[in-house]
Amino acid sequence: AQTVTQSQPEMSVQEAETVTLSCTYDTSESNYYLFWYKQPPSRQMILVIRQEAYKQQNATENRFSVNFQKAAKSFSLKISDSQLGDTAMYFCAFETLMEYGNKLVFGAGTILRVKS
Amino acid sequence: KAGVTQTPRYLIKTRGQQVTLSCSPISGHRSVSWYQQTPGQGLQFLFEYFSETQRNKGNFPGRFSGRQFSNSRSEMNVSTLELGDSALYLCASSPTGTGGNYGYTFGSGTRLTVV
Repeated sequence: AQTVTQSQPEMSVQEAETVTLSCTYDTSESNYYLFWYKQPPSRQMILVIRQEAYKQQNATENRFSVNFQKAAKSFSLKISDSQLGDTAMYFCAFETLMEYGNKLVFGAGTILRVKS
Repeated sequence: KAGVTQTPRYLIKTRGQQVTLSCSPISGHRSVSWYQQTPGQGLQFLFEYFSETQRNKGNFPGRFSGRQFSNSRSEMNVSTLELGDSALYLCASSPTGTGGNYGYTFGSGTRLTVV
């Protein structure tokens, strides 16, 4: 069974600094997708960034980038120039293939607090 | 472009009752997935519907069911509510049932409290 592990329950960072959130996963599949979602107090899960496993190049979306190490099954998220609005719960998710359609397997989440 | 709409936002029910939650996906999206979020178990997959057919189901008892209509709107039903069903229920839509191209788009969820 696929699992996703986020080893940091909580993290804090000063505004404008850089922070890295860790994520490891376990799968026997060779082709899959990985995601980072953010869930602010408004509860809506917002897609931050996605990575295709067959692409070696790390995905980047503005201040957000990932360090994807396929062999190590590691998928960390780096947030540069942290802003107060980045305060949220961050979930790493792995998309697992099922017979028909797919589903997401989520990690337990990391609470990120950005301090002014 | 309208997002994923879930109604109601909050719901309080008594043990033993049943409840129906609604999810309207993004226009053109044919797949709707449901997830349960609790502090203890985290986010867990309930089921996924595509073109009115349930394609996949997570490890939940038969009290949890759902359906999808021809306009892709989906409903989730929980019968004989238990205290442990208290959770945030999230639905997510995607064009085809995979998040590969654009990711899944989530609604804001329905907070269900069972008393």
